[in-house]
Amino acid sequence: GAVVSQHPSRVICKSGTSVKIECRSLDFQATTMFWYRQFPKQSLMLMATSNEGSKATYEQGVEKDKFLINHASLTLSTLTVTSAHPEDSSFYICSVMTGNTEAFFGQGTRLTVV
Amino acid sequence: GQNIDQPTEMTATEGAIVQINCTYQTSGFNGLFWYQQHAGEAPTFLSYNVLDGLEEKGRFSSFLSRSKGYSYLLLKELQMKDSASYLCAVMDSNYQLIWGAGTKLIIKP
Repeated sequence: GAVVSQHPSRVICKSGTSVKIECRSLDFQATTMFWYRQFPKQSLMLMATSNEGSKATYEQGVEKDKFLINHASLTLSTLTVTSAHPEDSSFYICSVMTGNTEAFFGQGTRLTVV
Repeated sequence: GQNIDQPTEMTATEGAIVQINCTYQTSGFNGLFWYQQHAGEAPTFLSYNVLDGLEEKGRFSSFLSRSKGYSYLLLKELQMKDSASYLCAVMDSNYQLIWGAGTKLIIKP
């Protein structure tokens, strides 16, 4: 399987500031990574598909200017929440799929905007 | 539309057996996954079914019926550490994962 490392695990930021979350695939070259958001007691919601060397594909309703995704290498994708607001507080998780049979997840990032 | 249904919450007793059901309606099918998620943590992979039948892996088994759009996760010899949410996810024809809302499993002594 793939080892996916996500950083930071927890972050608290002030409203209006930006936060960057990193997702690293440590032992697998991932041309594609996925970013999810999960609100309490709800399912994982796919936000965007991150493609190495090209623009990310965003799901309907996700603001691409607010959630900036950069996938500059086969092992690193970043999600930047710009001008964060309290309603952006959530659990953000990245994942990598090896083939089509298994998804490996980062540890997740708990974002709290105050 | 695409839809995955699973019970919101279930309660079981330590040492017992519990079955968590999942029904799905998706555009195409390329496999069904079960994940375990403890509170505040990322999901961890439990099983993958793409053909009909039962897959057994230790205390956990997963069953699939593609004709019925139905799967279940069977947990035996329940332990307190099995208290978690169990997520059912289906991979559709575009190889995208469609997630259920998860079933919160509460284990009582």
